[in-house]
Amino acid sequence: GAGVSQSPSNKVTEKGKDVELRCDPISGHTALYWYRQSLGQGLEFLIYFQGNSAPDKSGLPSDRFSAERTGESVSTLTIQRTQQEDSAVYLCASSGATGTRPYNEQFFGPGTRLTVL
Amino acid sequence: SQQGEEDPQALSIQEGENATMNCSYKTSINNLQWYRQNSGRGLVHLILIRSNEREKHSGRLRVTLDTSKKSSSLLITASRAADTASYFCATVKETSGSRLTFGEGTQLTVNP
Repeated sequence: GAGVSQSPSNKVTEKGKDVELRCDPISGHTALYWYRQSLGQGLEFLIYFQGNSAPDKSGLPSDRFSAERTGESVSTLTIQRTQQEDSAVYLCASSGATGTRPYNEQFFGPGTRLTVL
Repeated sequence: SQQGEEDPQALSIQEGENATMNCSYKTSINNLQWYRQNSGRGLVHLILIRSNEREKHSGRLRVTLDTSKKSSSLLITASRAADTASYFCATVKETSGSRLTFGEGTQLTVNP
């Protein structure tokens, strides 16, 4: 596809359950980012993958959050033992940034709206 | 925490008028980007201005950057009802890789 895709578009879960969110970046983009957007916190950075480098996990809010990326393609964000405060829109972005040219615009997916009951 | 602060938080204008939104930030940056968001979902990249640039144009958009004041402005000229959206500035700091730090956003409403 031409853009970043995310699935599911909406997810409703019960408190305490685990959820997995998926992101398919633009083909050829080596950099992939996860952000979340919630009413109280605005848009927050979560994690960043760049090629084969160790990911920048500095934005993950707790050890219940983890993310993986297979090579330079799909990424999954996993939230374990979900809490109500995890309710937010989770946005994925990719860019053509490289190690030597890291500062490019990011292209965002439509997001996954997570609701924890 | 959000580095950027935008004002106004909300702006309502008539079609054809110009809309100006401002953004301030606190630390040194590599570049500043403006994004648009419709209906609380995906963001669309509008324009990127680097720290050594002062002004940039793209269609009806004009962005300025004043690194001495740590501020930027986004001007949309001849606004249209379809410009109604939330607009966010986002900075890329020199010291934190390429991740974006977003401002609070301005909700723009253009009345037909």
